[in-house]
Amino acid sequence: GAVVSQHPSWVICKSGTSVKIECRSLDFQATTMFWYRQFPKQSLMLMATSNEGSKATYEQGVEKDKFLINHASLTLSTLTVTSAHPEDSSFYICSAPGAVGYNSPLHFGNGTRLTVT
Amino acid sequence: AQTVTQSQPEMSVQEAETVTLSCTYDTSENNYYLFWYKQPPSRQMILVIRQEAYKQQNATENRFSVNFQKAAKSFSLKISDSQLGDTAMYFCAFMKHRNQAGTALIFGKGTTLSVSS
Repeated sequence: GAVVSQHPSWVICKSGTSVKIECRSLDFQATTMFWYRQFPKQSLMLMATSNEGSKATYEQGVEKDKFLINHASLTLSTLTVTSAHPEDSSFYICSAPGAVGYNSPLHFGNGTRLTVT
Repeated sequence: AQTVTQSQPEMSVQEAETVTLSCTYDTSENNYYLFWYKQPPSRQMILVIRQEAYKQQNATENRFSVNFQKAAKSFSLKISDSQLGDTAMYFCAFMKHRNQAGTALIFGKGTTLSVSS
């Protein structure tokens, strides 16, 4: 079945540095990918929609200059947290529609736990 | 805008018993999809069941079934013969029908289900 690979699974960085998270669709092409953020014991909040070949679409309240998204190819989207601060510590999850079609259920990566010290 | 409401933050059930998780949603769309996802402690998002809004028949997947009431905008999940492995956070999610590109899921706040022996 469709698999989404996310890397790294966890990362610790110092305040002020940047961190890149990769999301790959392993056996299908994804022109669209979605990035979510999840705080402990809370829901998944959509941050942005990553579009291959065009700019990402950000949800209201998400700083596009802080959370840089690049959809480099049909199988890779990256989220870069720039100038990270402790409040950026969270669980980030990417997802992509399955290979069946646009209305396929989303397949999720295993998530990245980011800790900013 | 679409909203998804899960009014039960936590629920507990004994093994082999049946439990029902509630979900209501609000939308002006006529074509859409509803999902239940499970997130165990590993935090991997696992699709439990899916319902197309145009289908009147309630979806079932082994021990999992839904009660879809379109007019009432209600979408509850019934878990029969509960197992210890069902312990997880359960999210109800809404997705608009799209003709091109993928579309993101909108999640409820989740219900933490604990199954005890």
